Amino acid sequence: GENVEQHPSTLSVQEGDSAVIKCTYSDSASNYFPWYKQELGKRPQLIIDIRSNVGEKKDQRIAVTLNKTAKHFSLHITETQPEDSAVYFCAASIGTARQLTFGSGTQLTVLP
Amino acid sequence: EAEVAQSPRYKITEKSQAVAFWCDPISGHATLYWYRQILGQGPELLVQFQDESVVDDSQLPKDRFSAERLKGVDSTLKIQPAELGDSAMYLCASSLGRGLLGNGELFFGEGSRLTVL
Repeated sequence: GENVEQHPSTLSVQEGDSAVIKCTYSDSASNYFPWYKQELGKRPQLIIDIRSNVGEKKDQRIAVTLNKTAKHFSLHITETQPEDSAVYFCAASIGTARQLTFGSGTQLTVLP
Repeated sequence: EAEVAQSPRYKITEKSQAVAFWCDPISGHATLYWYRQILGQGPELLVQFQDESVVDDSQLPKDRFSAERLKGVDSTLKIQPAELGDSAMYLCASSLGRGLLGNGELFFGEGSRLTVL
């Protein structure tokens, strides 16, 4: 089955700096890559997603890039703010079943 | 805004006891998922329903876990008997499940945190 690896497990940045989280996946058939943000004690919430026919997608301060050849995708957060502090999960799925395989998560801390 | 509802939010039980979790997906969502999230890890799929039918339960420990969605709306996940290693957050998610490009965005509930003593 699909295997998703996520790095780093923890990331601390100064407010205003950029943060990058990277994920690799094992199955070249994967075609949907969402990113979820989970605040402490809260539900995971989708923040951005990308399909395999697109190389990059942006939404305000958040962007995701996908390299299908290398089988990796990354989350970029610019101008970080304290409210960006949370655990971020990447995920991948194959086909239309949307059975997501999640990475292990990255605890992002934005220091004021 | 419509949300996925789950109960109970917290459950403490002793090993060998039975526990049950309930999930009410967003109205109109055909696909329902149960995920288990161990502390410090990403969610892992336990079972997926399309309407009232099981699509995938390959990762569900069927000797002690069972899940049902009898009328294709709300769902129950049961563990009997509970073991120490079952301590985790049990997350329910739903999606529209009828799109040609896939089931669409997954919306998660707040989860049910289980502690087995």
